[in-house]
Amino acid sequence: LAKTTQPISMDSYEGQEVNITCSHNNIATNDYITWYQQFPSQGPRFIIQGYKTKVTNEVASLFIPADRKSSTLSLPRVSLSDTAVYYCLVGLYNAGNMLTFGGGTRLMVKP
Amino acid sequence: GAGVSQSPSNKVTEKGKDVELRCDPISGHTALYWYRQRLGQGLEFLIYFQGNSAPDKSGLPSDRFSAERTGESVSTLTIQRTQQEDSAVYLCASSPFLGAYEQYFGPGTRLTVT
Repeated sequence: LAKTTQPISMDSYEGQEVNITCSHNNIATNDYITWYQQFPSQGPRFIIQGYKTKVTNEVASLFIPADRKSSTLSLPRVSLSDTAVYYCLVGLYNAGNMLTFGGGTRLMVKP
Repeated sequence: GAGVSQSPSNKVTEKGKDVELRCDPISGHTALYWYRQRLGQGLEFLIYFQGNSAPDKSGLPSDRFSAERTGESVSTLTIQRTQQEDSAVYLCASSPFLGAYEQYFGPGTRLTVT
């Protein structure tokens, strides 16, 4: 499974757009990029998943450049309730390859 | 709709005692996963079930840890002779099939070994 590197923490203010970048230099051809969100005292929650270019859903957007060696999770107009830890995961998840969560990025949204 | 549930939500036990943690997955989900999360850390994968079969137990930290699953339903994680380093939140997740990108997590069981 590809190793990922993401910032340990980030601060933002309500209403701003937040971009969290994850580096995965040794991503394999068949690997997908998945992001999870974890609130305090809760289990992680799937946010978004992509393979290349751009993916958007009701929660976030995921930007993946052509070389796929990094990806950026974009949260539009964050609110206090977006304060959480965000995990970037890279891999081909099948029987034998399980989700591997790193330390994640702790996002603090301030009023 | 019913999500993944875990019980107990909190468990305090004395060193050396055995504990049993329970997970009720989403109905119809064939795959079930256990993770451990120490304070301020990421998740550590422990074991997965496909149906009631756990083909790979190498992620379990020691032979004091064991897990079972009844059919495609309830799973229990048992820790024998608990140690202080076992203190953590134990998270269970389920997914419709093994290897799905989206896993549905329960709220976890916070285990404290004194």
